[in-house]
Amino acid sequence: LAKTTQPISMDSYEGQEVNITCSHNNIATNDYITWYQQFPSQGPRFIIQGYKTKVTNEVASLFIPADRKSSTLSLPRVSLSDTAVYYCLVGYNFNKFYFGSGTKLNVKP
Amino acid sequence: GAVVSQHPSWVICKSGTSVKIECRSLDFQATTMFWYRQFPKQSLMLMATSNEGSKATYEQGVEKDKFLINHASLTLSTLTVTSAHPEDSSFYICSATRDTSEPQHFGDGTRLSIL
Repeated sequence: LAKTTQPISMDSYEGQEVNITCSHNNIATNDYITWYQQFPSQGPRFIIQGYKTKVTNEVASLFIPADRKSSTLSLPRVSLSDTAVYYCLVGYNFNKFYFGSGTKLNVKP
Repeated sequence: GAVVSQHPSWVICKSGTSVKIECRSLDFQATTMFWYRQFPKQSLMLMATSNEGSKATYEQGVEKDKFLINHASLTLSTLTVTSAHPEDSSFYICSATRDTSEPQHFGDGTRLSIL
């Protein structure tokens, strides 16, 4: 069964850069990699999506190596409000998507 | 843009009743909608995928007769939990996308509690 793997939790301090990695060895050729942020009792919120190399938007960067078997979400200068669970979402078959186990990011003052 | 509304946000009902949850894409047409289930401190588990006008595709282990999904239009999908029991209590979340190459956009979830 195809699987994605993320660290269970990470700690950081305000103002630091945080990098969260997701492993997805069985990613299919046409699949995209998407990262989401989830606060308690809310639905996930879209952060960034990519296919290959590097993607950057106003809140994050996504790094994907050439073999695409992993991806790294980079959050610059985190704040307390970035404390949340972060998920990578990878499609293993057309029209099928599976979430990673999620990484609980705890940002400390 | 890309707003998904889910209703109700919270429901409590007695065992044996049926509960309907609505998922609407407010500002775009969703060719595909997804339904997820999330238990406390766990990841989202995909229950089913629905395309407008077609029967939903259920994940292995999800009872299609218990979790009825209807995707009658490009902006509305419904999930009906039939004859709900306490073990069906969970957080149900829908998402919608214009195309599977585009990001899924999620509703804020429905907390279902069966007494």
